[in-house]
Amino acid sequence: QKEVEQDPGPLSVPEGAIVSLNCTYSNSAFQYFMWYRQYSRKGPELLMYTYSSGNKEDGRFTAQVDKSSKYISLFIRDSQPSDSATYLCAMSETGTASKLTFGTGTRLQVTL
Amino acid sequence: DGGITQSPKYLFRKEGQNVTLSCEQNLNHDAMYWYRQDPGQGLRLIYYSQIVNDFQKGDIAEGYSVSREKKESFPLTVTSAQKNPTAFYLCASRLDSRSSPLHFGNGTRLTVT
Repeated sequence: QKEVEQDPGPLSVPEGAIVSLNCTYSNSAFQYFMWYRQYSRKGPELLMYTYSSGNKEDGRFTAQVDKSSKYISLFIRDSQPSDSATYLCAMSETGTASKLTFGTGTRLQVTL
Repeated sequence: DGGITQSPKYLFRKEGQNVTLSCEQNLNHDAMYWYRQDPGQGLRLIYYSQIVNDFQKGDIAEGYSVSREKKESFPLTVTSAQKNPTAFYLCASRLDSRSSPLHFGNGTRLTVT
């Protein structure tokens, strides 16, 4: 079993829809949670960065962490065609030299 | 603009040749990382460096080598010992190695034939 599981998609939604992207994990020591957006042939771009449980909102994006369920989500409101990309979740433990563990990514397609 | 520059964007090599991928950052970050990305496998850590003149193996270091002689630079050499070198290689950095998020370059696509 992988330490971080992420549905690869593709997920296709119409423009304006609310998108929900999710990751589950098995390591209860993870404390820091990130979401990255990656366009084709580009490097991942940091979207959201959260510590421990709770919600964080930034514009159309909301990140949610539920440590009791070992489940994190990224919500995108009013989705746009420019949101079409692969979304990677990543997480790490606290401490020196903590390495990130990535999900495999969910490909999102927002259609007109 | 601060950022991470990887060059070249595309690289082609013949089997049996060593090749070096460049990574430069002007973010004044202490820690730098090399990842490999293959379809359906996510990002896998090759090597990382928390400080100049020091680096550690990641999960898939075999067939790769690195150096960290300057804070800004962390080149990756893909040697002929790497059995399946064709991949998308990503360099990343972070302010320190504890908890700050990673920032990525735009990658180098290496094709070995």
